[in-house]
Amino acid sequence: GENVEQHPSTLSVQEGDSAVIKCTYSDSASNYFPWYKQELGKRPQLIIDIRSNVGEKKDQRIAVTLNKTAKHFSLHITETQPEDSAVYFCAASSPNFNKFYFGSGTKLNVKP
Amino acid sequence: NAGVTQTPKFQVLKTGQSMTLQCAQDMNHEYMSWYRQDPGMGLRLIHYSVGAGITDQGEVPNGYNVSRSTTEDFPLRLLSAAPSQTSVYFCASSYWGYNEQFFGPGTRLTVL
Repeated sequence: GENVEQHPSTLSVQEGDSAVIKCTYSDSASNYFPWYKQELGKRPQLIIDIRSNVGEKKDQRIAVTLNKTAKHFSLHITETQPEDSAVYFCAASSPNFNKFYFGSGTKLNVKP
Repeated sequence: NAGVTQTPKFQVLKTGQSMTLQCAQDMNHEYMSWYRQDPGMGLRLIHYSVGAGITDQGEVPNGYNVSRSTTEDFPLRLLSAAPSQTSVYFCASSYWGYNEQFFGPGTRLTVL
């Protein structure tokens, strides 16, 4: 099955700085890559996603880039704010979109 | 809309006991899934369903059963609980696999 690796496991940045979280995947047939944010004690919530026919997608301060050749994708958060502090998970879907494989998570701490 | 609901929120079992975790959604989603979340391991897919009467195994299905008799409900059964099943369990649903997955609030299960 698919193997998704996520780095770093923890990330501490100063408010206003940028944060980058990287994920790699093993199955070249994977074609959908969502990112989830999970605040402490809460449920995961989708923040952005990208499909394999797109190289980059932006939504305000959040962007995701995908390099299919290298099999990696990254989450970029600009102008970080304390409310961005959470655990972020990347995921990759199976080719038929029925199975999702998650990375182990990145705990982002934004210091005011 | 209530979204995705799960019951109970907390449960303590003894080894060998059985129980059912309930999951329901009122968004008429075809795709439903169960994940377990363990520290440092992200979310792992247990079972999923692409519609009423159709279920399939995910990444870690052993020790769990599911059924899908209606579009709304997708219960997860633990047949004989083991300490290794201590975890937080999330149910999720979406219109289809490549759409946003909405997660329930989770069930924290402890097996003694």
